Amino acid sequence: GENVEQHPSTLSVQEGDSAVIKCTYSDSASNYFPWYKQELGKGPQLIIDIRSNVGEKKDQRIAVTLNKTAKHFSLHITETQPEDSAVYFCAASRGGADGLTFGKGTHLIIQP
Amino acid sequence: NAGVTQTPKFQVLKTGQSMTLQCAQDMNHNSMYWYRQDPGMGLRLIYYSASEGTTDKGEVPNGYNVSRLNKREFSLRLESAAPSQTSVYFCASSAGRGEKLFFGSGTQLSVL
Repeated sequence: GENVEQHPSTLSVQEGDSAVIKCTYSDSASNYFPWYKQELGKGPQLIIDIRSNVGEKKDQRIAVTLNKTAKHFSLHITETQPEDSAVYFCAASRGGADGLTFGKGTHLIIQP
Repeated sequence: NAGVTQTPKFQVLKTGQSMTLQCAQDMNHNSMYWYRQDPGMGLRLIYYSASEGTTDKGEVPNGYNVSRLNKREFSLRLESAAPSQTSVYFCASSAGRGEKLFFGSGTQLSVL
């Protein structure tokens, strides 16, 4: 089955700087890659997703890039703000009957 | 917009007790899921229901049972709780398998 590795497990950045979280996947047939943000005491919430027919997707300060050849994808957050502090999860799926496989999460800390 | 609603939010059980976690969604989604979240382990799938009338085991099904009561509701039952089942449980739903997930706010369960 699919295996998703996520790095780093903890990331601390200064407010206003950029943050990058990376994930690798094992199944070359995976074609859907979402990112979830989990704030303290809440359930994960989808923030951005990408399908394998595009290499990059952007939504304001958040972007995701996908390298199908290397089987890795990354989340980029620019101009970080205190409200970006949370745990972020990447996931991968082949779609259809297969579900999402999650990475173990990255705790992002924004230092004032 | 209610989305995915889970009850209860907190629960403390003694070893051997039973309980049922309730979940309902109002988005007319076909697929529903139960995950558990443990520190450093990410989100692990317990059971899922791809469509009304079907249920399947996920990654960690032992000690749990589920019921897809109708299209809206999907319950998780612990027949004889064990300390290893101390965790945060999340219900989620999606339009179909491998599609974007919508999570509930979670149930924090402690088994003493």
